[in-house]
Amino acid sequence: SYELTQPPSVSVSPGQTASITCSGDKLGNRYASWYQQRPGQSPVLVISQDTKRPSGIPERFSGSNSGNTATLTISGTQAMDEADYYCQAWDSSTAVFGGGTKLTVL
Amino acid sequence: EVQLLESGGGLVQPGGSLRLSCAASGFTFSSYAMSWVRQAPGKGLEWVSVISGSGGSTNYADSVKGRFTISRDNSKNTLFLQMNSLRAEDTAVYYCAKVGAAGTNKWLDSWGQGTLVTVSS
Repeated sequence: SYELTQPPSVSVSPGQTASITCSGDKLGNRYASWYQQRPGQSPVLVISQDTKRPSGIPERFSGSNSGNTATLTISGTQAMDEADYYCQAWDSSTAVFGGGTKLTVL
Repeated sequence: EVQLLESGGGLVQPGGSLRLSCAASGFTFSSYAMSWVRQAPGKGLEWVSVISGSGGSTNYADSVKGRFTISRDNSKNTLFLQMNSLRAEDTAVYYCAKVGAAGTNKWLDSWGQGTLVTVSS
């Protein structure tokens, strides 16, 4: 079965750029999505189709996907961005999530 | 505004059954595939199942195949998850999610607030 691998944690200082990676075999041949989940809340889509931001998602969120790695980049990270982030892709008609990355803003 | 409201969670004994519901509003329900995703306490997201807009096509994670059944009632804008032969490892918050799509590309663009299922004796 298809697997996606994320680092368990990433730390960033306020105002700096955070990058969260997601690795999977030939992931660049699939479309990746990213979800933000703040503590006690439901997940929220922040990036779809590798690079697209849904309405209401700040411009500081961006995505890329090439080769075996998709990357979520948060520019000018704010304290409110502290959350768990999950990548996700589809393998045939089944969805696969990465294990999640806890972003700490300190 | 898309709204998804899950219900039906609760405490059930191992081997028991439970039926979850997800009431949808704010979009043309029958035009979109829908999915269930779960999250065990303190763990990550795990995809459970998906159903096409018409209900004619379904798919399941290996961990629930043969035990769970996804269905929908488009006349009532409601998604269901029938869970049988429940195990302790099925304990989780269950989210319903709307599947956005462009061609074969899909994503989960709206999520409900979740309903907690606890399997314990």
